[in-house]
Amino acid sequence: EAQVTQNPRYLITVTGKKLTVTCSQNMNHEYMSWYRQDPGLGLRQIYYSMNVEVTDKGDVPEGYKVSRKEKRNFPLILESPSPNQTSQYYCASRLGASGRFSTDTQYFGPGTRLTVL
Amino acid sequence: KQEVTQIPAALSVPEGENLVLNCSFTDSAIYNLQWFRQDPGKGLTSLLLIQSSQREQTSGRLNASLDKSSGRSTLYIAASQPGDSATYLCAVKGTTDSWGKLQFGAGTQVVVTP
Repeated sequence: EAQVTQNPRYLITVTGKKLTVTCSQNMNHEYMSWYRQDPGLGLRQIYYSMNVEVTDKGDVPEGYKVSRKEKRNFPLILESPSPNQTSQYYCASRLGASGRFSTDTQYFGPGTRLTVL
Repeated sequence: KQEVTQIPAALSVPEGENLVLNCSFTDSAIYNLQWFRQDPGKGLTSLLLIQSSQREQTSGRLNASLDKSSGRSTLYIAASQPGDSATYLCAVKGTTDSWGKLQFGAGTQVVVTP
């Protein structure tokens, strides 16, 4: 089954304690991205990756890191989480990296609910 | 900068009534527009994708229209059912961003009452 998986689904942590949220897709997609969703603000892109070892900042990258060492995995790293990073996080992927792949459907993971105390 | 707006933020209708959800965007330079459904505790599921050259797209009870020149899209859901209760989001993929970032609206929360 084609899918995007994220772990953990729920996480409560404390300020400053490093954490990693994993994301994996089994569709051999080039493009992967991370979003955060906050009430009234919609989904905002944090980071994206066009392929292995190629990543770039989205709209709200401060306080986050990513890596893309393998095509299927795109972990999100919070080196020193703060309460303003409490949010719902989604990983997504699609087949083509370039915007010209206009027929690409974006697939989303089930989300990770993060609370930073 | 592209801005995507969805009004209203919430909508409640009785079962059987047709649903009309609106999405507006400020920059008409887009590749496509997608409608997603989001259920509590779950990810987003793509419902329909309309290319910039298309006027509408249909899937079962769902019909989405696109008027690129006026920056508007409408999602119609015919004969609504309680199972249609969810949050609906629209997203546009712009041509000015070479990597085709999706810009999302904040969503419309729909409740269909039996």
